[in-house]
Amino acid sequence: QQPVQSPQAVILREGEDAVINCSSSKALYSVHWYRQKHGEAPVFLMILLKGGEQKGHDKISASFNEKKQQSSLYLTASQLSYSGTYFCGTEGRTGNQFYFGTGTSLTVIP
Amino acid sequence: EAGVAQSPRYKIIEKRQSVAFWCNPISGHATLYWYQQILGQGPKLLIQFQNNGVVDDSQLPKDRFSAERLKGVDSTLKIQPAKLEDSAVYLCASSLSGRDKFFGPGTRLTVL
Repeated sequence: QQPVQSPQAVILREGEDAVINCSSSKALYSVHWYRQKHGEAPVFLMILLKGGEQKGHDKISASFNEKKQQSSLYLTASQLSYSGTYFCGTEGRTGNQFYFGTGTSLTVIP
Repeated sequence: EAGVAQSPRYKIIEKRQSVAFWCNPISGHATLYWYQQILGQGPKLLIQFQNNGVVDDSQLPKDRFSAERLKGVDSTLKIQPAKLEDSAVYLCASSLSGRDKFFGPGTRLTVL
């Protein structure tokens, strides 16, 4: 039931782009994205509620493909502050159960 | 606006001892969650409250873990007795809408 994220880890240079994928084996109602910096609590980034919905702010955006039960997080022109572990969280159609994904460690270097 | 408060921030105990964590959610947030995050893994939901009622505690090891949310505000999570595998960060989160979750700083528990 835990969504699977890929890649597990990625290293970028400042200014490069990255895509993080989140895949679930269950039908989804919503997908959430969080970022967690080392030693800190997760911080909410965005939520996608409809199939096909895309959201974003600044240079971080996400899409949700309801049919494929997948979501992708897009980071463009990455900044040092983007470093951290990114978690997707999925909410199923049948109930309130919410599961965090396996996580993707993203490191941006100068 | 004050965030989610948790205490203590760190706790070291020996196995078989008891420990309790406290959480004060954001004012007005009806939904409160306790998560366990083991190093290198995503947070795992232990229990979810809606006001002072339990919505989901399916992953709470009820033989040793207990939680309560009296008066629908503060909450405590207790472990009795603790095992080595309980070493983790315990995160409390609250939500107004039941969707976006605001996390507290967490309590890092080390069981020796």
